[in-house]
Amino acid sequence: GQQVMQIPQYQHVQEGEDFTTYCNSSTTLSNIQWYKQRPGGHPVFLIQLVKSGEVKKQKRLTFQFGEAKKNSSLHITATQTTDVGTYFCHGNKLVFGAGTILRVKS
Amino acid sequence: KAGVTQTPRYLIKTRGQQVTLSCSPISGHRSVSWYQQTPGQGLQFLFEYFSETQRNKGNFPGRFSGRQFSNSRSEMNVSTLELGDSALYLCASSSGAGGGEPQHFGDGTRLSIL
Repeated sequence: GQQVMQIPQYQHVQEGEDFTTYCNSSTTLSNIQWYKQRPGGHPVFLIQLVKSGEVKKQKRLTFQFGEAKKNSSLHITATQTTDVGTYFCHGNKLVFGAGTILRVKS
Repeated sequence: KAGVTQTPRYLIKTRGQQVTLSCSPISGHRSVSWYQQTPGQGLQFLFEYFSETQRNKGNFPGRFSGRQFSNSRSEMNVSTLELGDSALYLCASSSGAGGGEPQHFGDGTRLSIL
């Protein structure tokens, strides 16, 4: 069946450093969504990418969808303590990546 | 617009019992999905309902079942509870028309099995 692999599992950065999480699918995705879950909270929708090679930005966050629509990345520039949480990718309706836990040291 | 509401928020049960969790989606949303979240396993898809019909199902045993009512509210039932069923159960709703719309999650029900 379809699998979505997300790396890294965990990253601990110094405040101000950049952070990137990657999502790779075994099959072509029709779209990909990214969610953020704060500690103790529930996943919150961030963005959806649909087109091959698409790049979208939300302030310090940059989302990319690969040309083959099999991979995606989320890059955070100059992390802040408010960025702490788990970032999930979600492809083709059903499958969530395992998530990347981000911790930020101030 | 009210968000997704899950009840109860916390539940403690013992092995062998059964439990029913409830989810009220955002008004107008017709798709409701259920997920199990545990520290080591991430978000595992249980099932999705759309217009009272189960549209998709994950790889969980038959002890896990669900249903959706005509007002789109959904319930999930787990019978013969096992220790490994301890988890956060999340419900998410979406407009559901095409199946790939953004999902809006509730706060979840934290189920503990003793």
